Amino acid sequence: SQQGEEDPQALSIQEGENATMNCSYKTSINNLQWYRQNSGRGLVHLILIRSNEREKHSGRLRVTLDTSKKSSSLLITASRAADTASYFCATDRWTAGGYNKLIFGAGTRLAVHP
Amino acid sequence: DTGVSQNPRHKITKRGQNVTFRCDPISEHNRLYWYRQTLGQGPEFLTYFQNEAQLEKSRLLSDRFSAERPKGSFSTLEIQRTEQGDSAMYLCASSLTRPSSGNTIYFGEGSWLTVV
Repeated sequence: SQQGEEDPQALSIQEGENATMNCSYKTSINNLQWYRQNSGRGLVHLILIRSNEREKHSGRLRVTLDTSKKSSSLLITASRAADTASYFCATDRWTAGGYNKLIFGAGTRLAVHP
Repeated sequence: DTGVSQNPRHKITKRGQNVTFRCDPISEHNRLYWYRQTLGQGPEFLTYFQNEAQLEKSRLLSDRFSAERPKGSFSTLEIQRTEQGDSAMYLCASSLTRPSSGNTIYFGEGSWLTVV
């Protein structure tokens, strides 16, 4: 079963605008990771934020994590047409077997129009 | 290219046939995962290997599915007696063991299966 839920399911913006995607999850986590997927392709890792971190930046990406609300957000600033893709959050939990496992949400489909 | 490699990238098969997918993880990664993804959904966990040991199998993995990682390097995912519901993209991923900081998990490009 999927743990995370992204919101919105779809987002359409103009180039240059900012895009914000949210993710909520249900159980405690080790860390949370965001991935990007172009249509028909594999997943590309964007950023990992640990459970004891609140905010992280990478280039035009900003991720926040609120463990009390079990939620995270991904902000893409100054969006470009090339940012058009699906974005997934994945919660990383330790299992009883002593390894970590990623559980994905259904994703947000972002369309950036020139 | 030193990323996760999967082949074939696309497979069309008739219902009832067997198919096998291969995954070559990043060379020093000891952990290997298989996921399945259908259109409009996020990837769903199927199974996990630590070196050659298969440590978890999802309930999604029926007895028609079998995965192996014989020498702790590459892995194969075989689907026997394929059904139309098996049509999906099968994703392989790998990571290092780094328990204290959490592991970035790297994905391959996926193998598309279409069962007709």
